Amino acid sequence: AQSVTQPDIHITVSEGASLELRCNYSYGATPYLFWYVQSPGQGLQLLLKYFSGDTLVQGIKGFEAEFKRSQSSFNLRKPSVHWSDAAEYFCAVGDNNAGNMLTFGGGTRLMVKP
Amino acid sequence: NAGVTQTPKFRILKIGQSMTLQCTQDMNHNYMYWYRQDPGMGLKLIYYSVGAGITDKGEVPNGYNVSRSTTEDFPLRLELAAPSQTSVYFCASGQSGGGKTQYFGPGTRLLVL
Repeated sequence: AQSVTQPDIHITVSEGASLELRCNYSYGATPYLFWYVQSPGQGLQLLLKYFSGDTLVQGIKGFEAEFKRSQSSFNLRKPSVHWSDAAEYFCAVGDNNAGNMLTFGGGTRLMVKP
Repeated sequence: NAGVTQTPKFRILKIGQSMTLQCTQDMNHNYMYWYRQDPGMGLKLIYYSVGAGITDKGEVPNGYNVSRSTTEDFPLRLELAAPSQTSVYFCASGQSGGGKTQYFGPGTRLLVL
């Protein structure tokens, strides 16, 4: 069965600093991988996704993620964090054989210090 | 453009009561999903549907029922509410085909006392 692990439950960074959120997955075939962001009291918004091709994926709001098959990882990065990036971030793997079901990691809550 | 809408936004239920959480999408997506999100946890799939008249269980279906009579609507039914069903419920929709994005509604917060 597929699974996703986000090792960091909470991360605090200073505004302007760089950010990397970790995601490790387990899946038997080439995965479809997603990063979603959830602001307080809101639904989830897609930041970016990977399903083939270039392993460095660009997303919205200046985020990018790199798929590394050898490490089963799909880490999310941003070179300079803004206070508005404070939110919860979820990594997910998609199962294209079963209704495109997503399996989510437990999430990483990002706090930004002024 | 509304996208995925959910009603109600918030509800308090007593143990043993029943209710239906409504979900509607206007993007003509074949696939629809119900997830629950418990505090500090990721989302877990309750049920999904790949088209009108077709539904299937996800990871945590016990205590819930769904139906899909139209492409647009995918209601989630709780028959006998239990405190363990206190959660935030998200509906999502997406196109068929691998790697397609799921679009999420704003959620329904349910408290069972």
